Amino acid sequence: GQNIDQPTEMTATEGAIVQINCTYQTSGFNGLFWYQQHAGEAPTFLSYNVLDGLEEKGRFSSFLSRSKGYSYLLLKELQMKDSASYLCAVRDPSSGSARQLTFGSGTQLTVLP
Amino acid sequence: KAGVTQTPRYLIKTRGQQVTLSCSPISGHRSVSWYQQTPGQGLQFLFEYFSETQRNKGNFPGRFSGRQFSNSRSEMNVSTLELGDSALYLCASSPVGAETQYFGPGTRLLVL
Repeated sequence: GQNIDQPTEMTATEGAIVQINCTYQTSGFNGLFWYQQHAGEAPTFLSYNVLDGLEEKGRFSSFLSRSKGYSYLLLKELQMKDSASYLCAVRDPSSGSARQLTFGSGTQLTVLP
Repeated sequence: KAGVTQTPRYLIKTRGQQVTLSCSPISGHRSVSWYQQTPGQGLQFLFEYFSETQRNKGNFPGRFSGRQFSNSRSEMNVSTLELGDSALYLCASSPVGAETQYFGPGTRLLVL
């Protein structure tokens, strides 16, 4: 089976740093994605990790440890516009599809002034 | 480039009716995937199409079907609608050889 866990809600202050964790248990693994979704909008791509380590992209960084089935998304210098749901998704090749993603339930981040 | 477009954006139907949703991928993208998003179940994979062929289907009943045309545009159909089909239906496209999926704005379906 496939199981992806992430916290339901997190709150942080503008200008701070927040880390959103994601753990996964899947039959196979071929990449982990992070998406940001504002209320009522489509998910937008943030990052993709397929090898262990840290990927940095501006204020956002994503880390992956395949041996631990663990990833985190790090958001620095938080801004009010970062208030959104953050979705962790895993691509499992055993699903039979090159593109099928299994999503976690999302972490609703609220940034306070 | 224009993004993924989906029509209609909002739809209200009654139980037992059928509905067809449309998705136009980003120009040059040949892979189209469909997802259902509900507050209770989150984002769940429906199916993926590539070059007019369904590559995989998620764990949904046969009432859910889809197809892809030669210009990569895709449609999904839900027959005999149930209240539980109320959801945001998202389409995502990918270019050949790339890993990332780009999502459209979705169609919000309400079944009464």
